[in-house]
Amino acid sequence: QKEVEQNSGPLSVPEGAIASLNCTYSDRGSQSFFWYRQYSGKSPELIMFIYSNGDKEDGRFTAQLNKASQYVSLLIRDSQPSDSATYLCAVNMFERAKLTFGSGTQLTVLP
Amino acid sequence: GAVVSQHPSWVICKSGTSVKIECRSLDFQATTMFWYRQFPKQSLMLMATSNEGSKATYEQGVEKDKFLINHASLTLSTLTVTSAHPEDSSFYICSARKPGVRGYGYTFGSGTRLTVV
Repeated sequence: QKEVEQNSGPLSVPEGAIASLNCTYSDRGSQSFFWYRQYSGKSPELIMFIYSNGDKEDGRFTAQLNKASQYVSLLIRDSQPSDSATYLCAVNMFERAKLTFGSGTQLTVLP
Repeated sequence: GAVVSQHPSWVICKSGTSVKIECRSLDFQATTMFWYRQFPKQSLMLMATSNEGSKATYEQGVEKDKFLINHASLTLSTLTVTSAHPEDSSFYICSARKPGVRGYGYTFGSGTRLTVV
């Protein structure tokens, strides 16, 4: 079982729709959870991080964490073509620890 | 902010030669830096964790004698790919963690595209 699993996609949504990206992790000791966006040929950029159960909202993005189910998701509201990218889920065990990445979900927002 | 600079952004080298990639934290001191490798259409794979003043910790399957890491100061870590071969061609990305900043502390460099011919 992979430590961090994501649906590889591709996921296509029409412009203006809500895109839902999912991630599960295997280690119950994981403490912090990150969503990164990566455009083709570029390095990842942080979108959000979350470490408490529940929802965390930042603009059009909402991260949801359920530690009991070992599940973290990212919702993108009012999706734009510029959101088309690969979204990477990452977790770590504690501060200063390495990040473990999922395989990424490729999102395409259709104009 | 937390800015990480990586250099060069791309490099082409001949098979058998060595290539050095630099990763600098510009506005903070990074006791820990991470080196990743990414092949096309794959995720980031951690190669090693670089600790200032001590030996790097390599992930399983990564050859420490081939991928030399030096973290000589609190703002600079280098990755040297020795005796490079075409299969080493990849996108190498460093990341540094700004101490005391939870979550937003992990910042990535812009990456280095290595092509070995």
